[in-house]
Amino acid sequence: GAVVSQHPSWVICKSGTSVKIECRSLDFQATTMFWYRQFPKQSLMLMATSNEGSKATYEQGVEKDKFLINHASLTLSTLTVTSAHPEDSSFYICSARDQEKTEAFFGQGTRLTVV
Amino acid sequence: DQQVKQNSPSLSVQEGRISILNCDYTNSMFDYFLWYKKYPAEGPTFLISISSIKDKNEDGRFTVFLNKSAKHLSLHIVPSQPGDSAVYFCASLGSGSEKLVFGKGTKLTVNP
Repeated sequence: GAVVSQHPSWVICKSGTSVKIECRSLDFQATTMFWYRQFPKQSLMLMATSNEGSKATYEQGVEKDKFLINHASLTLSTLTVTSAHPEDSSFYICSARDQEKTEAFFGQGTRLTVV
Repeated sequence: DQQVKQNSPSLSVQEGRISILNCDYTNSMFDYFLWYKKYPAEGPTFLISISSIKDKNEDGRFTVFLNKSAKHLSLHIVPSQPGDSAVYFCASLGSGSEKLVFGKGTKLTVNP
């Protein structure tokens, strides 16, 4: 199946700093990528839809100035958590859909811990 | 309001037996359904899907059944293996939409 690579797999940062997470589709082009967040024992929560070359579309309740998304190319989207706080600690997952397929493929996820 | 519901948070099955994971949806515009498997601290892995024009799709040990009139789908795993122990998410896709809508997941434990 298609491969989506997410980096880093885990990161620990100090409160007030910013963290960037990368999501790459390795063997297909993705005009749209998705960013999710998962709290313990809960489902995946869609944060935003990232469109190549245009602004991301954020879900209700997600602060766009805090979670900056950039989709600069057909194979790369980044999520930057700005001025991170302990409550931002979570598991962040990206996904991308191959235009020729219906299923979405997910990255490995990033465990963010803000101390 | 949850559009995709997995009412059983957990399921425990003996190795070699059948595992049946259920999923209900409310939006009649959904026309494509997917199952994902997720291990702790990893991203979900695509397992199997079904289009609304079908009522069954089979891939090896995994079979997904769709009952459109009941807005219900199920994933059957037979025979179940300990390596199948994971959280299984049901997801739906609406016509013309790119967003997957996920259920809350069911944690499957297959006991040796």
